[in-house]
Amino acid sequence: AQRVTQPEKLLSVFKGAPVELKCNYSYSGSPELFWYVQYSRQRLQLLLRHISRESIKGFTADLNKGETSFHLKKPFAQEEDSAMYYCALSTSGGYQKVTFGIGTKLQVIP
Amino acid sequence: DTGVSQDPRHKITKRGQNVTFRCDPISEHNRLYWYRQTLGQGPEFLTYFQNEAQLEKSRLLSDRFSAERPKGSFSTLEIQRTEQGDSAMYLCASSFLGGTYEQYFGPGTRLTVT
Repeated sequence: AQRVTQPEKLLSVFKGAPVELKCNYSYSGSPELFWYVQYSRQRLQLLLRHISRESIKGFTADLNKGETSFHLKKPFAQEEDSAMYYCALSTSGGYQKVTFGIGTKLQVIP
Repeated sequence: DTGVSQDPRHKITKRGQNVTFRCDPISEHNRLYWYRQTLGQGPEFLTYFQNEAQLEKSRLLSDRFSAERPKGSFSTLEIQRTEQGDSAMYLCASSFLGGTYEQYFGPGTRLTVT
């Protein structure tokens, strides 16, 4: 069975400060990891995927298989980054059953 | 096409009543998912369709829950004999087989059982 752990329910940072949202996973196979974001009064949407190795809105995330982690980072927080962030894991193969973490609320203080 | 849509957006029902929710995925998407989200939790997988075939059901989906996708397009999720514990946000998502695996989510249906 797969599991995703986000240890912080709330993370408050000042504008301009670095951000790191932690995510650890448990899965015996080769997972695909995602970060989804939900801004206030908007629907859940994909922020980034580990296999694309891209930076979206200044955010990056590196899959560390040794530590089974997929932390989300941004060097300088902006007020518009305030949102709920969900780390998610999908099993590889024919379909994508996605297991989500409980989410971390990021609050950027002006 | 404005994305995944769900209807209704809010539903208040009395315990013991039946409710049905509808999800319209993005038109070319052949995969459709249902999730349930309670306060303070992330979305929990309920069930998944590829075209009209229901390929997996979570153990969270008790016998009171049934989902259909009769023509491989829209889907319905029915809850029979609702209980207060069914109160939650019910999310639908869709994706395209052979695509980037990104799931596109609808706005959700918030169910309140009184």
